[in-house]
Amino acid sequence: AQKITQTQPGMFVQEKEAVTLDCTYDTSDPSYGLFWYKQPSSGEMIFLIYQGSYDQQNATEGRYSLNFQKARKSANLVISASQLGDSAMYFCAMREGMTTDSWGKLQFGAGTQVVVTP
Amino acid sequence: DAGITQSPRYKITETGRQVTLMCHQTWSHSYMFWYRQDLGHGLRLIYYSAAADITDKGEVPDGYVVSRSKTENFPLTLESATRSQTSVYFCASSPGTIGELFFGEGSRLTVL
Repeated sequence: AQKITQTQPGMFVQEKEAVTLDCTYDTSDPSYGLFWYKQPSSGEMIFLIYQGSYDQQNATEGRYSLNFQKARKSANLVISASQLGDSAMYFCAMREGMTTDSWGKLQFGAGTQVVVTP
Repeated sequence: DAGITQSPRYKITETGRQVTLMCHQTWSHSYMFWYRQDLGHGLRLIYYSAAADITDKGEVPDGYVVSRSKTENFPLTLESATRSQTSVYFCASSPGTIGELFFGEGSRLTVL
């Protein structure tokens, strides 16, 4: 069964507008971590933001924020003030467990392609 | 500060041939990983290593072999390549703080 679901295969957003990328997850483990990665057309994977399941506040990193709704099992990424350089594929990922056994073992969604237009 | 270096970046091979993808990291991270990326599947874990001489299977290990004799190197070998192994392969390491991954640039493999 799919553990990470990204329902938006692609979306367009205008420069300077905010965009929300949806991510829902499925786990029965009370301890987990949620990640977002960016993959530009050049192909590299860039770590953006992290949210732990016990974190009380939503994570923020610059223009990126994670809207964490634990009861709904959603972890949406919000990009504020979009820039042309934000055009990329965005992946949501989850790590189940908080021990070192789970380090780096991420389950990824299929991704959302974002195109920022002038 | 090279981080993680993968080679080759591009490789075309034929069915049945052996292929080795190299991965070298300069951070001295204990944890290293191999993922493959296919359209519609995101990234899937092939193998991982917690330290030198310690490796274990991930989600899709069939047809692959890994070794880790030194902390900095983690090669991935396709012993007899198949068309279904056409993919982009990413090597990654983790510093083990929150378990985030830092990726290499990827190796695009085509099996004809």
